[in-house]
Amino acid sequence: EAGVAQSPRYKIIEKRQSVAFWCNPISGHATLYWYQQILGQGPKLLIQFQNNGVVDDSQLPKDRFSAERLKGVDSTLKIQPAKLEDSAVYLCASSIYSQNTEAFFGQGTRLTVV
Amino acid sequence: GDSVTQMEGPVTLSEEACLTINCTYTATGYPSLFWYVQYPGEGLQLLLKATKADDKGSNKGFEATYRKETTSFHLEKGSVQVSDSAVYFCALSDRGNDMRFGAGTRLTVKP
Repeated sequence: EAGVAQSPRYKIIEKRQSVAFWCNPISGHATLYWYQQILGQGPKLLIQFQNNGVVDDSQLPKDRFSAERLKGVDSTLKIQPAKLEDSAVYLCASSIYSQNTEAFFGQGTRLTVV
Repeated sequence: GDSVTQMEGPVTLSEEACLTINCTYTATGYPSLFWYVQYPGEGLQLLLKATKADDKGSNKGFEATYRKETTSFHLEKGSVQVSDSAVYFCALSDRGNDMRFGAGTRLTVKP
């Protein structure tokens, strides 16, 4: 079974530039998550999709971050404009259901904003 | 809201030593509990899980028991190896909520 695919693995951009990350979840998984993991901290949920609808985006900085999940499969996360404090690893995860089930993670995209 | 608290690290052990990483949780419902492991340069991998009180999750010599009375899910291993060096995250998932993670505990095992 293929795992969660993310790209790119690494990205370096200057502040105020824009960047986009892509995620392809495990086939058949209805729930997709984007997490931000700052160095030395646990992952923090940015947004959760159930199929192509948003379940929770309460911690997404909506003035600069946006995400979509067209057709309930692939997803993209965009940052525009980026700030220095956005430097982090962005993790995509998927699960079969949204409640009480484990999430499977991709390898993440390491973003460095300079 | 729901939350997870892990013991602070880093933890450094010699090979074959015993490991315990403490984890306690706060939840309004009946969450499922998880331990994830993150090896250097990789994403998070599920290590073990428990879905109800008194369940014991186990994998690769690691164990954790879901203790409702103490709201704990401590990770244990009787004899660690150098290859166990990683960051370990305790997490919970409750009805209608996303998966909440602790801050992580970095384990280094020396030969």
